[in-house]
Amino acid sequence: SQQGEEDPQALSIQEGENATMNCSYKTSINNLQWYRQNSGRGLVHLILIRSNEREKHSGRLRVTLDTSKKSSSLLITASRAADTASYFCATDAAHTGTASKLTFGTGTRLQVTL
Amino acid sequence: DAMVIQNPRYQVTQFGKPVTLSCSQTLNHNVMYWYQQKSSQAPKLLFHYYDKDFNNEADTPDNFQSRRPNTSFCFLDIRSPGLGDAAMYLCATSRGTGGREKLFFGSGTQLSVL
Repeated sequence: SQQGEEDPQALSIQEGENATMNCSYKTSINNLQWYRQNSGRGLVHLILIRSNEREKHSGRLRVTLDTSKKSSSLLITASRAADTASYFCATDAAHTGTASKLTFGTGTRLQVTL
Repeated sequence: DAMVIQNPRYQVTQFGKPVTLSCSQTLNHNVMYWYQQKSSQAPKLLFHYYDKDFNNEADTPDNFQSRRPNTSFCFLDIRSPGLGDAAMYLCATSRGTGGREKLFFGSGTQLSVL
């Protein structure tokens, strides 16, 4: 079953505005990651937040995690046209295994216009 | 510098004609993954290798096979492609185990089935 659901599915903002995307998941996790995907390309890792962390920053990115609500948010501040992409959350379910089997959410398509 | 390389970028095959997609990495990562991503959907894990150990997802059709002859290369074989197999196929790598490991993706191979 799919672990993450992103909200909204699509978001259109103007350059300079902030963009907030939300991710909800179903089962307990160890870690949550956010990835970006430009149209027709592979995914690029943005940021990782551990289950015992509540907030993390990286440049213009701010990620929060609320394990009690099983949700995370990605905030992009002062957006640029180059931020136009799809953004996916990915979770690693809290089970033992031989590799990090990430399950991706449905993604938010962000459009930043000039 | 390209780290995870997928060839070809676009692949067209005929219904039922076997096709092989390739992936190579210069990261010397232990784990290699194949994801299938259909239009506007989340990437779906098909299988992964941890070194030479193959791990198939329970819902991956038997039509999909994989080979990893050495650390650097991994292949996805689709024995009898159907129209429903048209998708973007993404190869990814990670250094090791655990959900703290980030995935490095190739640019993907867009497969069309005629």
